[in-house]
Amino acid sequence: GESVGLHLPTLSVQEGDNSIINCAYSNSASDYFIWYKQESGKGPQFIIDIRSNMDKRQGQRVTVLLNKTVKHLSLQIAATQPGDSAVYFCAENGGSGYALNFGKGTSLLVTP
Amino acid sequence: DSGVTQTPKHLITATGQRVTLRCSPRSGDLSVYWYQQSLDQGLQFLIHYYNGEERAKGNILERFSAQQFPDLHSELNLSSLELGDSALYFCASSVLLSGGRNSPLHFGNGTRLTVT
Repeated sequence: GESVGLHLPTLSVQEGDNSIINCAYSNSASDYFIWYKQESGKGPQFIIDIRSNMDKRQGQRVTVLLNKTVKHLSLQIAATQPGDSAVYFCAENGGSGYALNFGKGTSLLVTP
Repeated sequence: DSGVTQTPKHLITATGQRVTLRCSPRSGDLSVYWYQQSLDQGLQFLIHYYNGEERAKGNILERFSAQQFPDLHSELNLSSLELGDSALYFCASSVLLSGGRNSPLHFGNGTRLTVT
């Protein structure tokens, strides 16, 4: 079936640098996209979402970019901090329903 | 803190047994979702309830069932447990937006099930 996938399983960045986590999706009907952060022993935590009528959305230190032409989603984290170390998941709604389809996740490691 | 409460945090049981996982959604959220997270399968959607009624099914086995009660809490029942059912089980809840638009799912911290 169609699914969401992540380009890189791990990403290591230095503290203070910007991080970019990428995600590809395959369902052209998907119209809602969301990023989650999961720390060890905890559930996924909502970071930011974007609907298909937008191509960019900004939050606090985070920006999500959506390119529907190539079915690509990215999460940019500015001035990455040690507390940002976690696994990041992108998810999409498959164009229908309210449940989300999750990618495999990217592990972000922030080094001092 | 997401406001979604799951109990128990850990559960260890034997093959063939039955267990019940419990979830209390955020105050005001009518939708409850169940997900399974394992190392090799990632986060897999199991089932969605809205205001007591089943709305969507994902990759939920026939040995698994769920329900949402009038007070909106939900239970996930897992029976005839197998070693492969060992995983993290997450509950999430969401609010219903006007126009039927999607809204973020807010996750609890999960129940870790170990089947021995």
